[in-house]
Amino acid sequence: EAGVTQFPSHSVIEKGQTVTLRCDPISGHDNLYWYRRVMGKEIKFLLHFVKESKQDESGMPNNRFLAERTGGTYSTLKVQPAELEDSGVYFCASSQLPPGPDRRNTEAFFGQGTRLTVV
Amino acid sequence: GENVEQHPSTLSVQEGDSAVIKCTYSDSASNYFPWYKQELGKRPQLIIDIRSNVGEKKDQRIAVTLNKTAKHFSLHITETQPEDSAVYFCAASLGFQKLVFGTGTRLLVSP
Repeated sequence: EAGVTQFPSHSVIEKGQTVTLRCDPISGHDNLYWYRRVMGKEIKFLLHFVKESKQDESGMPNNRFLAERTGGTYSTLKVQPAELEDSGVYFCASSQLPPGPDRRNTEAFFGQGTRLTVV
Repeated sequence: GENVEQHPSTLSVQEGDSAVIKCTYSDSASNYFPWYKQELGKRPQLIIDIRSNVGEKKDQRIAVTLNKTAKHFSLHITETQPEDSAVYFCAASLGFQKLVFGTGTRLLVSP
């Protein structure tokens, strides 16, 4: 079974440019999350999709970040225009929705991340 | 919102020793506490998790304990090996909502 895949693995862009990160979750996983780790600090939540709907976007830093998940499959995270403080590793994770009314968590599988450097 | 604190930030042990990493959380509603291991250049991987209705869970050399009253949980690794060297993250969540992570512990196991 293929894991969570992210593209690109690395991206170096100039301040003011646009970058789009892509995440392909594990097939059948309705939950998709974006996280970011900046400067060796904690992994911080950005956004949570359930299928194609945004369940929680409370972690998005500002309106320069736009996430989409059209059709409920892969997701993209666009940063436009990029700033220096956007540098970091962007992780995507996916998990199954628990069946029935049980809201128990299921394991979140992470991608290898995209290392974004804004210069 | 939830806040997770993790200590220590770095931990160096000799091979064969035990290692303990501690985390505290703030939201008493949190009910799921996973631990992730991230080796250099690789993806974070779940190594063990515990739910709020359980006080302790073991998996070979790894164990996690949870004290709901004090709102803290700990990772215990016994008989450490060099391949245990990595960054370990604790996290807390409610249901299948977002994971709130600690700041990570860099564990170095010296042969």
